[in-house]
Amino acid sequence: KAGVTQTPRYLIKTRGQQVTLSCSPISGHRSVSWYQQTPGQGLQFLFEYFSETQRNKGNFPGRFSGRQFSNSRSEMNVSTLELGDSALYLCASSLEDTGGEQYFGPGTRLTVT
Amino acid sequence: GESVGLHLPTLSVQEGDNSIINCAYSNSASDYFIWYKQESGKGPQFIIDIRSNMDKRQGQRVTVLLNKTVKHLSLQIAATQPGDSAVYFCAETLYGQNFVFGPGTRLSVLP
Repeated sequence: KAGVTQTPRYLIKTRGQQVTLSCSPISGHRSVSWYQQTPGQGLQFLFEYFSETQRNKGNFPGRFSGRQFSNSRSEMNVSTLELGDSALYLCASSLEDTGGEQYFGPGTRLTVT
Repeated sequence: GESVGLHLPTLSVQEGDNSIINCAYSNSASDYFIWYKQESGKGPQFIIDIRSNMDKRQGQRVTVLLNKTVKHLSLQIAATQPGDSAVYFCAETLYGQNFVFGPGTRLSVLP
């Protein structure tokens, strides 16, 4: 069974631009969560989708948004990029909707210049 | 590889020794806890989990201990191997939502 895939793996953007990252969960997994990882803040929860609905949202500004499609694939969007948005963005999928093992993708490294 | 954390606490152990990695969690109501391993350039990888109604769980070469009184988790790795070198994170959650991760500990296995 294929793991969680994320595209692109690396991305360089300029301040003020917007970016869309994509995540394909493991087949059959309906829950997709997004995280931001930085050396200073560690791993921080962005949001979680289950069956195309955002169930939970972390403490990030409204510039960060996401969605999930009927095939469980998910995208996250960051608008008006800031230098501080440079990070590794990780997607994780899980089978259960109440706890359970999360499987992480390799992440997308976003650099904002 | 990706820089996970520049100033993480580091635990150095000799190959073959046992490792103990500690984590303090924040929410006394959390009901599910997970340990992850993250190698350079990769996403976190599930190691072992434990629910709040347990205080110990064993896997292959790994044991997780949960002390709810002091909100403390530990991960014990038996007979540590070079391949165990990585950053280890604990995570807590309530009802499987809003996972909160610890800052991580870098494990370095010395030959």
